Amino acid sequence: DAGVIQSPRHEVTEMGQEVTLRCKPISGHNSLFWYRQTMMRGLELLIYFNNNVPIDDSGMPEDRFSAKMPNASFSTLKIQPSEPRDSAVYFCASSLDWREAFFGQGTRLTVV
Amino acid sequence: GENVEQHPSTLSVQEGDSAVIKCTYSDSASNYFPWYKQELGKRPQLIIDIRSNVGEKKDQRIAVTLNKTAKHFSLHITETQPEDSAVYFCAAPYSTLTFGKGTMLLVSP
Repeated sequence: DAGVIQSPRHEVTEMGQEVTLRCKPISGHNSLFWYRQTMMRGLELLIYFNNNVPIDDSGMPEDRFSAKMPNASFSTLKIQPSEPRDSAVYFCASSLDWREAFFGQGTRLTVV
Repeated sequence: GENVEQHPSTLSVQEGDSAVIKCTYSDSASNYFPWYKQELGKRPQLIIDIRSNVGEKKDQRIAVTLNKTAKHFSLHITETQPEDSAVYFCAAPYSTLTFGKGTMLLVSP
């Protein structure tokens, strides 16, 4: 397995634009997590899916953020409209039944 | 939800010294306690974990201890080396995989 795959690796966008981050979890994993990492706030959990169903989205900062998991092999995190304070590294991770969580390489988002 | 507090936020040691990082958690139902290491510019990766039916687990120079009564668990690194320099995160998943704020460990040669 190639591991958790995220795309794009880097994204630079202008304030106000829509940004879509993509994640392909490891095949067979039933949990998927989206995190945001900044120097100030550390590794923040944004949303957690189990068996494709959103279980906890209390970490989503505001309505500009939305996440979907239409099937077991794909998830998206969308920001619309984007703002400079959304600049961060966004990680996707997947796991099976509370075992080791595997992280993707992350997407570095810069909103100018 | 789960609340995980991690201390210290930064830790500087000399090569060969030991390093200890401590985490406390709030949810008594938590039963799995992993530690992740994140090197600069890379993704977090699991280095060791412990389940609640075990008090201590070792893997070469690293060990994790768990005190369920006090709701804290610690990462111990012995004979530190420069390549141990990284950010270390604890997590206490129960309903979600919630991480502590991280500890930046700097090992000086």
